[in-house]
Amino acid sequence: DIQMTQSPSSLAASVGDSVTITCQASHDIRNYLSWYQQKPGKAPKLLIYDASNLETGVPSRFSGSGSGTDFTFTISSLQPEDIATYYCQQYDNLLFTFGPGTTVDIK
Amino acid sequence: QPQLQESGPGLVKPSETLSLTCTVSGDSIVSINYYWGWIRQPPGKGLEWIGSMYYSGTPYYNPSLKSRVTISVDTSKNQFSLKLRSVTAADTAVYYCAGQARIAARPSWFAPWAQGTLVTVSS
Repeated sequence: DIQMTQSPSSLAASVGDSVTITCQASHDIRNYLSWYQQKPGKAPKLLIYDASNLETGVPSRFSGSGSGTDFTFTISSLQPEDIATYYCQQYDNLLFTFGPGTTVDIK
Repeated sequence: QPQLQESGPGLVKPSETLSLTCTVSGDSIVSINYYWGWIRQPPGKGLEWIGSMYYSGTPYYNPSLKSRVTISVDTSKNQFSLKLRSVTAADTAVYYCAGQARIAARPSWFAPWAQGTLVTVSS
């Protein structure tokens, strides 16, 4: 299985700050990585696919980069509505795995 | 994008079988654009993939659950289903069904997701 790790597990930042989350895969997953946002009591929502492609309708302050084993997710200017837990997910092999999540809060 | 909605019992007794159905609307379940998957989330914890399948293919299952899981598609009802046998309290979770983008004939990212349904295993 491919294991996914994320860091940090949680963070707090001020409105307008840039926020970065990293996701690391235990094996090379090329660019087969997606990012999801999950707000409390809600289903996850796809934000980024293929490591860096923004899903239609997702604000441009969200971005992703990376390939191989190391990936980055960035919110360029944190907004109050971005309070959520963010998960990465690999789909390089057919045993799909999610990272443990990063909870983002407002300082 | 299609819309998805889970249905099924919210309470299952230990050792029994958890059965959920996901109804797809706004697109056909035989669409070439999607696999169909199940993901669960125990209370306060992260996401765990359960399994996925293309309407005409062989299901893929999480090895940790494979011995207890069956996913199937009913094309006549535009639905797909999850059965998880011999449940214990550890199977208590919010269960999500989701479309999984089919890219180059491979399953990839999950979108869209249904709202999720809490299934509690308790006597």
